[in-house]
Amino acid sequence: DQQVKQNSPSLSVQEGRISILNCDYTNSMFDYFLWYKKYPAEGPTFLISISSIKDKNEDGRFTVFLNKSAKHLSLHIVPSQPGDSAVYFCAASGGGSVAGTASKLTFGTGTRLQVTL
Amino acid sequence: DAGVTQSPTHLIKTRGQQVTLRCSPKSGHDTVSWYQQALGQGPQFIFQYYEEEERQRGNFPDRFSGHQFPNYSSELNVNALLLGDSALYLCASSVGLAGQETQYFGPGTRLLVL
Repeated sequence: DQQVKQNSPSLSVQEGRISILNCDYTNSMFDYFLWYKKYPAEGPTFLISISSIKDKNEDGRFTVFLNKSAKHLSLHIVPSQPGDSAVYFCAASGGGSVAGTASKLTFGTGTRLQVTL
Repeated sequence: DAGVTQSPTHLIKTRGQQVTLRCSPKSGHDTVSWYQQALGQGPQFIFQYYEEEERQRGNFPDRFSGHQFPNYSSELNVNALLLGDSALYLCASSVGLAGQETQYFGPGTRLLVL
């Protein structure tokens, strides 16, 4: 049961253009969403997050949009740079059935972004 | 400010053996979560420790166990290793259990079971 889905395994974008990475979720109890970037042989690096009470959060070149009715979020990177080439994971938390257990992360399978010159 | 650290970086074991992986959380963090990442997949939640107790557990067998020490560091133990346990094991630290807390990951320990 894949509760968080990233349906595009890979994406190629030219340097300077916008990269848009998408993520869908099925559990309506999720209330916190995060994006992580992962280089080979390293752990995931936190990029940006958004709470379910918001529909947009920006941090520099990175913007995350949340559409709760569609259970969809997206990460926009503008402008894309070659150093952005990595695997991007969408993750969600919330909905713990026992008090104090809402914080485990459920991850998607990742999207490999390649930014070309 | 040191981030999350894990040891060892790589490990090779044979089937049936036991392994212990270690994690030190980011300064100021008191909660440690462990994840398993198989090739081509996203990380899968194993369990989470807070106040030296296991607070949540994912869908992993009892062969996977852990411990948290008073200084908040943690260990992951896997007994009776199977070939399918070969994966990247990630430790993440955060603050508290309230949710909506960002988890910060270490570099991982890559385990190969032969």
